[in-house]
Amino acid sequence: DVKVTQSSRYLVKRTGEKVFLECVQDMDHENMFWYRQDPGLGLRLIYFSYDVKMKEKGDIPEGYSVSREKKERFSLILESASTNQTSMYLCASSLGREGNTIYFGEGSWLTVV
Amino acid sequence: DAKTTQPPSMDCAEGRAANLPCNHSTISGNEYVYWYRQIHSQGPQYIIHGLKNNETNEMASLIITEDRKSSTLILPHATLRDTAVYYCIVRVAGANSKLTFGKGITLSVRP
Repeated sequence: DVKVTQSSRYLVKRTGEKVFLECVQDMDHENMFWYRQDPGLGLRLIYFSYDVKMKEKGDIPEGYSVSREKKERFSLILESASTNQTSMYLCASSLGREGNTIYFGEGSWLTVV
Repeated sequence: DAKTTQPPSMDCAEGRAANLPCNHSTISGNEYVYWYRQIHSQGPQYIIHGLKNNETNEMASLIITEDRKSSTLILPHATLRDTAVYYCIVRVAGANSKLTFGKGITLSVRP
């Protein structure tokens, strides 16, 4: 089975802190994604990457950056956390071929106080 | 923008088939229909996907109309654990394509 593992299930951070959300997949997938999910707004794509050191902006990249130094790991970085970044963050991955399936991790609940 | 339309909610009795409809009238020839579900506080779970033909796996069946403008996800014997939000997503074929989620349909399975 595909395994997408997010390092932290629940985090509480202070405003202005730098926050790292880590994601690891064990299926040698080329593509990796970061989404956030908020009530009433659904899932929105923040960033994605289809190869090591490659990244593309999604629909809401402002306030975030990402890092993909190794194929299996995709990190989401909040340079200076703000309260409006309180959300559930979801990592996902897929093979880099047509018709591939995207698999999600369990999510990380981030609260910024 | 999501390219699908789903009713906001539906319910069904435990043990009965749950038929979840989805309209995607503007679907293009190179777009797949995907279904995911999300149980409260968990990440979305892949269910099934198809291009033209009907598909079946251990979780569900996907029926796509001949004109591809709508589809139905069928859970043959719904259980209480199938209570979730179900997302129907149209996704461009391509190695690096992404998912765009709409609001989904909330399925409530009643005892």
